Amino acid sequence: AQSVTQLDSQVPVFEEAPVELRCNYSSSVSVYLFWYVQYPNQGLQLLLKYLSGSTLVKGINGFEAEFNKSQTSFHLRKPSVHISDTAEYFCAVSFSGNTGKLIFGQGTTLQVKP
Amino acid sequence: DSGVTQTPKHLITATGQRVTLRCSPRSGDLSVYWYQQSLDQGLQFLIQYYNGEERAKGNILERFSAQQFPDLHSELNLSSLELGDSALYFCASSVGARNTGELFFGEGSRLTVL
Repeated sequence: AQSVTQLDSQVPVFEEAPVELRCNYSSSVSVYLFWYVQYPNQGLQLLLKYLSGSTLVKGINGFEAEFNKSQTSFHLRKPSVHISDTAEYFCAVSFSGNTGKLIFGQGTTLQVKP
Repeated sequence: DSGVTQTPKHLITATGQRVTLRCSPRSGDLSVYWYQQSLDQGLQFLIQYYNGEERAKGNILERFSAQQFPDLHSELNLSSLELGDSALYFCASSVGARNTGELFFGEGSRLTVL
């Protein structure tokens, strides 16, 4: 079965510290990988995506992620976080096929403390 | 602003009732997706429509149904409501049927069943 696992439900971190949010997936077919962010009382917004090519992808707000096919991971990183990065982060996978549906992980709450 | 419009934003109803959630996709997008977000289940894919036709089906209950109209707006109908149907329902849209890009999410419709 195809699935997405976000290993941490909550990640507390101090402002200006680096952060890594972990994501692993399980699939027997090719995948496209995404990270979305959800601010309170808002919809989801795309941070970055991996479709093909370079395994290191850069997104908005200084975030980046690295696709590791052998470890089936797509971890999200930021070298220095801000208070405004406090939000829920979702890893998502789209599997090859004739549909555009995304399978989401359970989400990770990033809590940036001053 | 993602360009995806969902109405109503909030809805409170009683068990056994029926409600309709409405979604207008971004201009030019042909695919519409419905997701349910709850604390215990996370973000669950319900159904995808592409240009008026059902494209993919996820964990959608038989009490729920959806359709996409010729003007591309979509409606999600929830009937015989139960307490457990209380959730945030998101609509998203994309240009094509297969997701090699990005889903654009609305701000959601929060359904409370009492």
